[in-house]
Amino acid sequence: GAGVSQSPSNKVTEKGKDVELRCDPISGHTALYWYRQSLGQGLEFLIYFQGNSAPDKSGLPSDRFSAERTGGSVSTLTIQRTQQEDSAVYLCASSPGTRENQPQHFGDGTRLSIL
Amino acid sequence: AQSVTQLDSHVSVSEGTPVLLRCNYSSSYSPSLFWYVQHPNKGLQLLLKYTSAATLVKGINGFEAEFKKSETSFHLTKPSAHMSDAAEYFCVVNRNYGQNFVFGPGTRLSVLP
Repeated sequence: GAGVSQSPSNKVTEKGKDVELRCDPISGHTALYWYRQSLGQGLEFLIYFQGNSAPDKSGLPSDRFSAERTGGSVSTLTIQRTQQEDSAVYLCASSPGTRENQPQHFGDGTRLSIL
Repeated sequence: AQSVTQLDSHVSVSEGTPVLLRCNYSSSYSPSLFWYVQHPNKGLQLLLKYTSAATLVKGINGFEAEFKKSETSFHLTKPSAHMSDAAEYFCVVNRNYGQNFVFGPGTRLSVLP
C-alpha cells in the first residue's frame, strides 16, 4: 500500500520567506511526527500529533515554527521568516498508535535550502 | 530519562565480512528498541524491532540484533556485508510512558569492495 508521502521533495527559498511542508501519512495511522535532520546529523524531534489530542510541541525550536493536522490526516509544517539555519531535511513519520512496540514509518523527506 | 548511545560514528568493513554496529541505551523501564536504516536522500526504513517477545530479533536484509538487559545493549549484526548495506543506521528507543521516540546519533556504515 501507499507509504508516507511528503511534498515538495525539494524546496529552495530566500531568507525571510515563509514555507509550508506537507505530510500525507499512511491511511489509518493516528500518530504523526515531524523531525528535522541537519546535514550529517541525527534526527531532531519537532512535533507529535496523536488523534484528536493536543499536539506535543515541545521540540519546536522557535515560534517561527508551527504545524497543524487537519481531519486527523494530512499535516502541514510551516516555517515563517525562514533563516539560513533552517536549512535541513524535514522528515515526517506516522504510526498506527502510541503503543511502544509500534514502529514509525517515514517519508522520504523535504530538503529545504534557505539562500 | 531515556537515552541512546551509538558508540561508533563511522564503521568501515570489507564486502563479505561481518558487520557489528553498537548501541547502548538507558531506560527506567523495559524499553522497545528499533534499528532503522537510511540510504542517501531517503527516509528511514525499519530494519527490526525488539518488543520483549524474544531477545534475538531477526530483521530484513539478513540483519539481526540481540537485546542484552544486563549490558543495556542492542547491537546490530550481519554475517556478511553487501555493498548495498552502505548507509546510515539509527538505534531508537521508545519511551513506554511517553509519546516520543529517542534516536541515537547514527552510525555511518561504509562497505569496501
